Amino acid sequence: DADVTQTPRNRITKTGKRIMLECSQTKGHDRMYWYRQDPGLGLRLIYYSFDVKDINKGEISDGYSVSRQAQAKFSLSLESAIPNQTALYFCATSGTSGTLVDTQYFGPGTRLTVL
Amino acid sequence: DAKTTQPPSMDCAEGRAANLPCNHSTISGNEYVYWYRQIHSQGPQYIIHGLKNNETNEMASLIITEDRKSSTLILPHATLRDTAVYYCIVRALNTGTASKLTFGTGTRLQVTL
Repeated sequence: DADVTQTPRNRITKTGKRIMLECSQTKGHDRMYWYRQDPGLGLRLIYYSFDVKDINKGEISDGYSVSRQAQAKFSLSLESAIPNQTALYFCATSGTSGTLVDTQYFGPGTRLTVL
Repeated sequence: DAKTTQPPSMDCAEGRAANLPCNHSTISGNEYVYWYRQIHSQGPQYIIHGLKNNETNEMASLIITEDRKSSTLILPHATLRDTAVYYCIVRALNTGTASKLTFGTGTRLQVTL
């Protein structure tokens, strides 16, 4: 079973709709991240959370919100989706100890299309 | 985080070693070299990282020059499944702020029969 899972894997929605992307992990990591990837632009950080009580904005947080429901769950919401939020969204996790400290592990991604 | 320079693309015959170079001439003393790869539209996959010593794991080897200004990722026996974009990233650990990864354009490795 995958250590980092994302649901849904694909989503098509309409402008103005509110949608939620979910991320779950079984790695026991404290830190979780949401990135988006657009063609030719690499990955950009949307939000990150160092623990359930610590949530921080990344470089492109406008139009997004997040919820850290538990150590293992981190959700990304688009309050009112717009077409330029069409992208590939990745969740990632990282731990804070051991030889692989702060190494990020990514989920399979959610392809979101906003019409 | 220090910037990196990688060739945009490389080819490698299946079964041969793939050697992917990365220049990071402005690396700081506390920055590590990380390698990730991304197979088409899949989540980026961690490969290996190191500070100054050469490292090896089940996926690859990482060779870092003594002055730490460049490194080489080695896939010892490339297979078709290794076709992907490979990213070299230089970053400090646990900065206390966003431990984000800055992915550049990477090297597109094409493994051929």
